Formats: sequence, C-alpha cells, structure tokens
Amino acid sequence: SYVLTQPPSVSVAPGKTARITCGGNNIGSKSVHWYQQKPGQAPVLVIYYDSDRPSGIPERFSGSNSGNTATLTISRVEAGDEADYYCQVWDSSSDAYVVFGGGTKLTVL
Amino acid sequence: EVQLVESGGGLVQPGGSLRLSCAASGFTFSSYSMNWVRQAPGKGLEWVSYISSSSSTIYYADSVKGRFTISRDNAKNSLYLQMNSLRAEDTAVYYCARGGYDYVIDYWGQGTLVTVSS
Repeated sequence: SYVLTQPPSVSVAPGKTARITCGGNNIGSKSVHWYQQKPGQAPVLVIYYDSDRPSGIPERFSGSNSGNTATLTISRVEAGDEADYYCQVWDSSSDAYVVFGGGTKLTVL
Repeated sequence: EVQLVESGGGLVQPGGSLRLSCAASGFTFSSYSMNWVRQAPGKGLEWVSYISSSSSTIYYADSVKGRFTISRDNAKNSLYLQMNSLRAEDTAVYYCARGGYDYVIDYWGQGTLVTVSS
C-alpha cells in the first residue's frame, strides 16, 4: 500500500515560516491535497492540486510537490495556525485508494 | 453554503450494527462523489469509503471491506453508511465529506461519534 510520511510535529515562532513535509514514493507524479484540523473541529481543505488555494484560505498558505516530497509552507505564521495538518493523495494501486499522511502537529511557540 | 450533517452515531456492542446518514444541502448533491472518513480518538484521519455521483463506482478501505456498505439517495440528497459486525477498533468520529476532481475532499461535515463497546 502507498504510504505518506509526515513529521509528527513542527514548531515555529510567530511571524516565521513553517514547512511541513509529506514524503511518498514518486509523490511528485500525484496530486497532493492538504487539510488543517483544529481541536474539536472538522478538517478544512487548505491546499489542493499541490499548490492551489481554496477561496478564503490566506495567501500565506502555499504548497509544492516534486520527486518524493510534497511541502506545505505557511508564511508569517500566526497563533491561529496552530493545528494538525494532513496531506492526502489518491492511489489506485493501494488498498486504501484515498491515502492520508499520519498528520503533523504545528505548534506556534 | 455547503452543509453536510451526519447523524446515527452512538454506542453499540461489538458485533452490532449501525447506520449513519448524512444530509447534504447547498450544492447539487447528484453531481458530486462522496466519502466517509473516520478518526479514532487522538488519532489521524482514515478514509473509509467512496461513492461516485451515480453510485456506479464504490471503493472501501480494506479495514471495513465486507462489513460496511456505502450508498446514496440523490433524490433525498443523502449519503449513508451501513456498518455491520462492528469492532472496538471501529470506534471513531465518522465524517461525511464531499469529493472533487482528483479525489480531493473539499467539504466536511462536523462528524458523528460511533463507540463500539460492551
């Protein structure tokens, strides 16, 4: 099955840049989507198709995808960005089809 | 405004059954694929099942295949998940979620909690 690997945690000071990685075999050939989930809330889509932002998502959120790593970048981090972040792809050869990464807890120091 | 409202969760004994429902509004339900995604307490997201807009294509995660059945009623703007032979490891918040191109999940409901325990 296809596996997406995320760091369990990332810490960043307010105003700095946070980068959350998502590793997978040749992930650059797939479309990667990113979700933000705050405690007690449902996930929210923040990046789709590697680097597109849904309406209402700040420009501070951006994404890239190449080779074996996709990256979610959050610029000028704010306290309100503290949340869990999940990457996701579709893999038709997998036993799960819709595959999520294990999630990364972003802590704003 | 897109709204997805789940219902039907609760406490059930191991081996029991439960049927989850999801009422959709604010968009043309019959034009979109739908998913069920679950999250065990303190854990990450786990995809459960997918159904295409016309119900012609259905997928399940291996962990639920043969026990869960996804269905939809486009006339009623509703999505369902029939869960049989429930196990303790099925305990989770179950989210109804709208699908988009390239299997993105663009809207999520607030979830309904399923607890499997004796």
